[in-house]
Amino acid sequence: DAKTTQPNSMESNEEEPVHLPCNHSTISGTDYIHWYRQLPSQGPEYVIHGLTSNVNNRMASLAIAEDRKSSTLILHRATLRDAAVYYCILNGGSNYKLTFGKGTLLTVNP
Amino acid sequence: GAGVSQSPRYKVAKRGQDVALRCDPISGHVSLFWYQQALGQGPEFLTYFQNEAQLDKSGLPSDRFFAERPEGSVSTLKIQRTQQEDSAVYLCASSPRQGPPGEQYFGPGTRLTVT
Repeated sequence: DAKTTQPNSMESNEEEPVHLPCNHSTISGTDYIHWYRQLPSQGPEYVIHGLTSNVNNRMASLAIAEDRKSSTLILHRATLRDAAVYYCILNGGSNYKLTFGKGTLLTVNP
Repeated sequence: GAGVSQSPRYKVAKRGQDVALRCDPISGHVSLFWYQQALGQGPEFLTYFQNEAQLDKSGLPSDRFFAERPEGSVSTLKIQRTQQEDSAVYLCASSPRQGPPGEQYFGPGTRLTVT
């Protein structure tokens, strides 16, 4: 499975934008880039996914580098409820299962 | 609408006991997954169903673990003769699609503690 690399932790202030990076230099052409987040004591929650083009939804934006070797999850205005572990996952081809790494622990300061 | 539900939310078992964990996926979702999450780690894949067919059980850690989804809806994960290393949160997820890039919707998990 293609691997992703994320910082262990990041910190942000409430109501400021947050840019969460992910490196995936061995990504294959059929791999989608998925982001999930996990709030304390809850199951993971789907955030967004994309293949080549940047994507926006009500939760976040996903910016994908032109060579697809990295991506950035953008939370436009962080709230305290966004404090969670964020996982960047590659999923594609016949690979239906999600392979979670350690993710990035996001702390949001009031 | 209703999300994925799991029961029980918490289970304490004595070593050697059998346990059964239930997952109710979102209605109409074709795919169902089980994951195991140890403390401080990301979830790890256990097994995958497409309707009632178990297509992948490569992540089940031993033959003490067994999963079923007989009617293509509710699923049960059974662990026989529980051991302390089985202590973890067991997560169930469902997806409306059969393959990528389908997003998966997770339940709250069952926290199993083996004493």
